[in-house]
Amino acid sequence: QLQLQESGPGLVKASETLSLTCTVSGGSITSSGYYWGWIRQPPGKGLEWIGSIYHSGGTYYNPSLKSRATIFVDTSKNQFSLKLSSVTAADTAVYYCARLAAITLAGTWIDYWGQGTLVTVSS
Amino acid sequence: QSALTQPASVSGSPGQSIAISCTGTSSDVGTYDYVSWYQQHPGKAPKLMIYEVTNRPSGVSNRFSGSKSGNTASLTISGLQAEDEADYYCSSYTSSSTFFVFGTGTKVTVL
Repeated sequence: QLQLQESGPGLVKASETLSLTCTVSGGSITSSGYYWGWIRQPPGKGLEWIGSIYHSGGTYYNPSLKSRATIFVDTSKNQFSLKLSSVTAADTAVYYCARLAAITLAGTWIDYWGQGTLVTVSS
Repeated sequence: QSALTQPASVSGSPGQSIAISCTGTSSDVGTYDYVSWYQQHPGKAPKLMIYEVTNRPSGVSNRFSGSKSGNTASLTISGLQAEDEADYYCSSYTSSSTFFVFGTGTKVTVL
């Protein structure tokens, strides 16, 4: 059974960089046919797609993040990571890592989710 | 690319059927059969319920079904049960630069 687990600081200071890692177990991040992505959910609000990456390259981001997001893969550790720069209070959210079926660019539907991790941006 | 539009809330009595709409544009729902639906209970990660408009993943109850007409997709829950009380989100591929867009979310209440 595939499992995804987010890890990283739960508190980040405003203007600094948020860094999260997702460890994949029960399957390989190099499996064909899947993107690996990040989704976030501010407290009490809806879901927002941040971006997705394919293990061999090909990265796609939500343009609303104005180039602040970077996603990269470490195949040797079966992990992928998110960096979000210049954070503000608006970036406070539960961050989920996920696997997306690669039918279309950036992924088509999400079949596996991590449990989510709350990141709070402090002023 | 704005979020897909869903009603804020839908309610029904146990045993009834309800439908949740998801309205997009010709750049997403209206052109592509890549609509999916997710169920999210409080404090939990979302769970895939429907993909490619009508397909149910293994293990999802057949009380959940999906459809699409024009720019609007729908999730129908039949034989409503107390455990169906949750938030529901649709999503779609979009040909805009956003690629992947979620709906605004619908809270389902079982009366």
